Amino acid sequence: DAGVIQSPRHEVTEMGQEVTLRCKPISGHNSLFWYRQTMMRGLELLIYFNNNVPIDDSGMPEDRFSAKMPNASFSTLKIQPSEPRDSAVYFCASSFGATNEKLFFGSGTQLSVL
Amino acid sequence: AQKVTQAQTEISVVEKEDVTLDCVYETRDTTYYLFWYKQPPSGELVFLIRRNSFDEQNEISGRYSWNFQKSTSSFNFTITASQVVDSAVYFCALSEGSTGTGNQFYFGTGTSLTVIP
Repeated sequence: DAGVIQSPRHEVTEMGQEVTLRCKPISGHNSLFWYRQTMMRGLELLIYFNNNVPIDDSGMPEDRFSAKMPNASFSTLKIQPSEPRDSAVYFCASSFGATNEKLFFGSGTQLSVL
Repeated sequence: AQKVTQAQTEISVVEKEDVTLDCVYETRDTTYYLFWYKQPPSGELVFLIRRNSFDEQNEISGRYSWNFQKSTSSFNFTITASQVVDSAVYFCALSEGSTGTGNQFYFGTGTSLTVIP
């Protein structure tokens, strides 16, 4: 079975550009999480969805970040405009969330904003 | 305040030594879940174990063992006879309650383990 699929694996962009990260959760999972990982701050939860509805977006750094989950099989995290401090690895994870099941992580997107 | 504290930032051991990674958590819920994840140099996060708050039995899986003590709010992870392949960053995580709307996971800052051949 396919795991959580993220694209792209690597993204290099210039400051000010729009960046869109994509995630396909595991089929049947009803919770989806976006995390950001940096050396300084470790793993930070940005937002999570349950049944396609955003439940907690308090971790989204600022208005430049937005996330959507239009259906159960797809989510996007958008940064507009991007800044160098957004450079990080962005992970998407999914779970059958209501029962505190384990998270299954994607391979991550390494974002570099120049 | 940190929900999950991993006080050890980096640990180095020589191959075949035993090593324990500490994890202390904070919650007011009576129902919660604890996890350990491994992040090898390749970057992906790999699930190791999930334990609920009502099950304090220690668990052993091969060279891995976990010690859950509610009295000290700790969920420590021991690797016996460490190997070079154990070199990774290990994260402890907490998920609280069961609200029916999905649950946030709180991750610790991770412990970077280096096993020296």
